[in-house]
Amino acid sequence: AQSVTQLGSHVSVSEGALVLLRCNYSSSVPPYLFWYVQYPNQGLQLLLKYTTGATLVKGINGFEAEFKKSETSFHLTKPSAHMSDAAEYFCAVSLYNQGGKLIFGQGTELSVKP
Amino acid sequence: DSGVTQTPKHLITATGQRVTLRCSPRSGDLSVYWYQQSLDQGLQFLIQYYNGEERAKGNILERFSAQQFPDLHSELNLSSLELGDSALYFCASSLRERGYEQYFGPGTRLTVT
Repeated sequence: AQSVTQLGSHVSVSEGALVLLRCNYSSSVPPYLFWYVQYPNQGLQLLLKYTTGATLVKGINGFEAEFKKSETSFHLTKPSAHMSDAAEYFCAVSLYNQGGKLIFGQGTELSVKP
Repeated sequence: DSGVTQTPKHLITATGQRVTLRCSPRSGDLSVYWYQQSLDQGLQFLIQYYNGEERAKGNILERFSAQQFPDLHSELNLSSLELGDSALYFCASSLRERGYEQYFGPGTRLTVT
């Protein structure tokens, strides 16, 4: 069965520093991969997705992620953190042969220090 | 604003009761998904409907049921509520049956006392 592991339930960075949120997946077939962001008391917003094609995908708010099949990873990065990036981030996987349901990781809470 | 609406925003009820959560998908989307978010279980897929028909089931309890109506809105019914059912319930929608871009509503926070 597929699964998603996010390393680090809490990550703290200084404003202007690099953001790196880690995600590893387990899947027997090529997955579709997603990053979602959840601000307090709000729903989930899609940051970016990988389905096929270019393995480096760019999303909203300056985030990007790279699909590395050999490492079964899909880490999320942003070169320079902003205070408004403080939120919870979820990595998710979907398999074409299992419909569109998303399997989520446990989430990583990102704090940004001034 | 994702275009997905959920009502009510908050719901407080007692154990043993039954509640109905409502979701209206984005205009034109045919697929509706329900997810439960709790502190101990995280975000879990419950059930998916596509154009009125059930398409996939996840970790949904037998006390829970859902349906999608001809106008494509969906309802999630939770009965014989227990304290452990307290959670945030999200609805998401997508255009296709296997729609990878899912748009989430703001959620319904259910508190069972």
